[in-house]
Amino acid sequence: SQKIEQNSEALNIQEGKTATLTCNYTNYSPAYLQWYRQDPGRGPVFLLLIRENEKEKRKERLKVTFDTTLKQSLFHITASQPADSATYLCALDLSGYSTLTFGKGTMLLVSP
Amino acid sequence: DVKVTQSSRYLVKRTGEKVFLECVQDMDHENMFWYRQDPGLGLRLIYFSYDVKMKEKGDIPEGYSVSREKKERFSLILESASTNQTSMYLCASSLAGITQPQHFGDGTRLSIL
Repeated sequence: SQKIEQNSEALNIQEGKTATLTCNYTNYSPAYLQWYRQDPGRGPVFLLLIRENEKEKRKERLKVTFDTTLKQSLFHITASQPADSATYLCALDLSGYSTLTFGKGTMLLVSP
Repeated sequence: DVKVTQSSRYLVKRTGEKVFLECVQDMDHENMFWYRQDPGLGLRLIYFSYDVKMKEKGDIPEGYSVSREKKERFSLILESASTNQTSMYLCASSLAGITQPQHFGDGTRLSIL
């Protein structure tokens, strides 16, 4: 069965460092992958989409890579700030019908 | 900005009641989705709709139904609420197309007593 794995343990880093979050998937070859941010008590907010033919995508301090051979996406936040503290979710279209399957998310805590 | 509005932030109902959760989006999106989110289980898709009066089952449709009579409104119905349906319910919408991002409401925290 298809599976999406994100680090279940919270990632604690110091302000100014680069945070790297991992999303691994099995038994599928998605055409694209999306990343979302979720704050407590709020719905997820879309951040970035990367297609299978794109190795890397950037948006301000965010960078996403997509390695279809390793079946892995890495999500980087450079020069992290306490305001970046949130849960980050990766999502794949495993159905081919534009429905998304979400990973369980990784909580990022950035301390001053 | 896209706005997805869910009718209630918190709701408390009793077992056996019929419960309606309402979702409205203001950006003329074709697709609408209902998820539930539980600790340790993440977001799971209950139902989705590609168009008015159309509905498709997601991964966990049992005990739920949906209604989409107007393009902007998508309702989730718990036919006979049970305690295992206590959860955070999230509605989302998107434009048609496989790469379109989903826009979420802020959720309804539903407790079934």
